[in-house]
Amino acid sequence: GNSVTQMEGPVTLSEEAFLTINCTYTATGYPSLFWYVQYPGEGLQLLLKATKADDKGSNKGFEATYRKETTSFHLEKGSVQVSDSAVYFCALSDGPTGTASKLTFGTGTRLQVTL
Amino acid sequence: GAVVSQHPSWVICKSGTSVKIECRSLDFQATTMFWYRQFPKQSLMLMATSNEGSKATYEQGVEKDKFLINHASLTLSTLTVTSAHPEDSSFYICSTGHNEKLFFGSGTQLSVL
Repeated sequence: GNSVTQMEGPVTLSEEAFLTINCTYTATGYPSLFWYVQYPGEGLQLLLKATKADDKGSNKGFEATYRKETTSFHLEKGSVQVSDSAVYFCALSDGPTGTASKLTFGTGTRLQVTL
Repeated sequence: GAVVSQHPSWVICKSGTSVKIECRSLDFQATTMFWYRQFPKQSLMLMATSNEGSKATYEQGVEKDKFLINHASLTLSTLTVTSAHPEDSSFYICSTGHNEKLFFGSGTQLSVL
């Protein structure tokens, strides 16, 4: 079956530091890959996605590249801000990319950014 | 943007009682609702998929008589944890699709004493 493995947190960084959150996956076929973010007291929100190999998803300064050869989708940001403090979830879907479909999630990684 | 409202945010209950969790789609109709749960240090795991007007589909290993799902209207889906026990303590979250996007509730942290 499908599975997603992401690095355990919490990750604590100073403001303006470089962020990497690792994510690797196991899936049959060609899944779509996602990063979701959950800010305190809110629901998960889509941060970025990639639907095929070598695609790069980007949003709000965050980036992740779909690497089929290493089955990875690592999340990066060059300079984090305090407002980026949240829990980040890596996920995949082998359903249609444009419709409501089941997701397989990682465990989530809590990021804490300090001044 | 589209919002899914989930209540309560947290609940503490005694063992043996039932707890109802509600998810409402505030400005769109939710034909399908996905229910997930997350145990500490584990992934969000899909429990069941509910469809308005029909029976929910449960994932393997999830007891349908313990986790009752009702999706009687296009804007409301409920999950009732019946006769809750400490091992049911978990984070529960709902999700639904709209305009080719998935929207999530804010989650419910259930603690069973």
